[in-house]
Amino acid sequence: SQQGEEDPQALSIQEGENATMNCSYKTSINNLQWYRQNSGRGLVHLILIRSNEREKHSGRLRVTLDTSKKSSSLLITASRAADTASYFCATDATGGFKTIFGAGTRLFVKA
Amino acid sequence: ETGVTQTPRHLVMGMTNKKSLKCEQHLGHNAMYWYKQSAKKPLELMFVYSLEERVENNSVPSRFSPECPNSSHLFLHLHTLQPEDSALYLCASSQEWASGSFTDTQYFGPGTRLTVL
Repeated sequence: SQQGEEDPQALSIQEGENATMNCSYKTSINNLQWYRQNSGRGLVHLILIRSNEREKHSGRLRVTLDTSKKSSSLLITASRAADTASYFCATDATGGFKTIFGAGTRLFVKA
Repeated sequence: ETGVTQTPRHLVMGMTNKKSLKCEQHLGHNAMYWYKQSAKKPLELMFVYSLEERVENNSVPSRFSPECPNSSHLFLHLHTLQPEDSALYLCASSQEWASGSFTDTQYFGPGTRLTVL
């Protein structure tokens, strides 16, 4: 499997519910990033979390990073229909130029 | 509107054509990037420019040639492309790129949808 692999591949929830997406990776990293992409707003960089950080918040988004398990999670609280999009994680491996993106989780929020 | 613009938004070209993609950022950033997004593959970082110098090249074929004449503009020159090069090409910028790694938020342009016939 690839570095920066998201789980689940697809997620469907009702508006107002929380959505959790996970990302696993294989090598040591400098940082991990989460992105969102939808047809209306293009690709948006959501959060960058450094390897020495464990949790980061931005509005309704909460990202955690567990370097011992080589995993990260993205939590979207109180989801809205506008959160419908694909969410990607990407990792910057240590040792230089190596940014790898996962295939993404497709989130569908039903109104 | 992210402050990063790309032209053209759509491009169809033959394998023998030469074309260029243009990216412009109005954010005062020092780093710019080219990405490729194919239909069935994860996003790929192609090139990184920091302070107008190419600092990283992710093993991209030479038929893709980037150019960064100043900190606000980035080009991707295309020649003798293959049908498998058809993809969405995204440009992004950020305040800086340091030690082979992203350090802060990137802002993406809307992309150029390229079709190679």
